[in-house]
Amino acid sequence: EPEVTQTPSHQVTQMGQEVILRCVPISNHLYFYWYRQILGQKVEFLVSFYNNEISEKSEIFDDQFSVERPDGSNFTLKIRSTKLEDSAMYFCASTLVTVANYGYTFGSGTRLTVV
Amino acid sequence: GQNIDQPTEMTATEGAIVQINCTYQTSGFNGLFWYQQHAGEAPTFLSYNVLDGLEEKGRFSSFLSRSKGYSYLLLKELQMKDSASYLCALLTGGGNKLTFGTGTQLKVEL
Repeated sequence: EPEVTQTPSHQVTQMGQEVILRCVPISNHLYFYWYRQILGQKVEFLVSFYNNEISEKSEIFDDQFSVERPDGSNFTLKIRSTKLEDSAMYFCASTLVTVANYGYTFGSGTRLTVV
Repeated sequence: GQNIDQPTEMTATEGAIVQINCTYQTSGFNGLFWYQQHAGEAPTFLSYNVLDGLEEKGRFSSFLSRSKGYSYLLLKELQMKDSASYLCALLTGGGNKLTFGTGTQLKVEL
């Protein structure tokens, strides 16, 4: 079964440093997403991306965040200057078209720890 | 905006049936999802309801009443591996964004 792949599985970074989280969506999927989950809290939408541009973003996704699809396979989330409160599990997801009927295929996540 | 309510925790016995409820308030409803999430792992898709009624898939069934803003997930013949968090999520608006509830932590005991 096709998978969404995320790397690294765990990243520790110092406050103020830049981090890039990487995702390889399912190859024929067209829509890409980032969600995050702070430990013990709910899964929260960050951003959706289609046709090389952001289609929707949440209030969490401020100027410190950016996304990019640098080539035909990777989808990245960059946090420019990390804060302690950015510590969370970050999930990438992709869909062929609509999320209806089959939901997202989530990657296994990157646990980001900011110290 | 959206508001989703689920019980925080539930406990059930192996082999039994459990019903996990979700109530919601929203505008622009386009569907309701149930996901399963084991600790430290990604959510995995269980079911999708957009019309009123019951959708059955093996040991798992999901029900939706749009007029009541209510859904439930029914798990039959519980197994220990069903111990997990069960997330109710809404699809609203014209995009593909899901809004998740806080989840119900289900513990299955012998």
